[in-house]
Amino acid sequence: DTEVTQTPKHLVMGMTNKKSLKCEQHMGHRAMYWYKQKAKKPPELMFVYSYEKLSINESVPSRFSPECPNSSLLNLHLHALQPEDSALYLCASSIRTANNEQFFGPGTRLTVL
Amino acid sequence: AQKVTQAQTEISVVEKEDVTLDCVYETRDTTYYLFWYKQPPSGELVFLIRRNSFDEQNEISGRYSWNFQKSTSSFNFTITASQVVDSAVYFCALSPINAGGTSYGKLTFGQGTILTVHP
Repeated sequence: DTEVTQTPKHLVMGMTNKKSLKCEQHMGHRAMYWYKQKAKKPPELMFVYSYEKLSINESVPSRFSPECPNSSLLNLHLHALQPEDSALYLCASSIRTANNEQFFGPGTRLTVL
Repeated sequence: AQKVTQAQTEISVVEKEDVTLDCVYETRDTTYYLFWYKQPPSGELVFLIRRNSFDEQNEISGRYSWNFQKSTSSFNFTITASQVVDSAVYFCALSPINAGGTSYGKLTFGQGTILTVHP
């Protein structure tokens, strides 16, 4: 299995909703990443997990809450989002953070109403 | 601080033409990785290549080739005999090696080049 999967593919939520994005990989990678990508822009790093521990938080607002329950799974919990948070959320993984050959999932397209 | 510049915002070619996507970078790190990723309309970022800063050998993979010139801080990407399926956004990216601390895992992306190949 050489892919990163993300669910759901599309998500529409209101500003008062609580939802979660899920990312999974079974390549034995020990680094996992969340990125946010707005239209016609490059991906922006949000969080990095290394060996299930949060190693980088790029000053992301607390309404985004990451979780890494095990080495294969990465979640992003969403609460009280704003319309400007609408974007494509990409998950990636790599063997280690130092390796940096990151493999990306297909993304979740999030719309906040 | 690191910076990646892809000066070409959009390129439009006709099928079978060759096309070169430019990438220029700035870094104070002596060792680093350079990457190219492709993002088709479906949204998934597809890894194309990774080069180490200490390996300036050019690389060819099928219709794709990469020219790494450390002296000019450039890592250009050429598609030979372009096809409609090559239409996508292409990102060049940079990451330090052995940076430690908060630099670990950080990819710095260029702004991307939108390539459209017309039939």
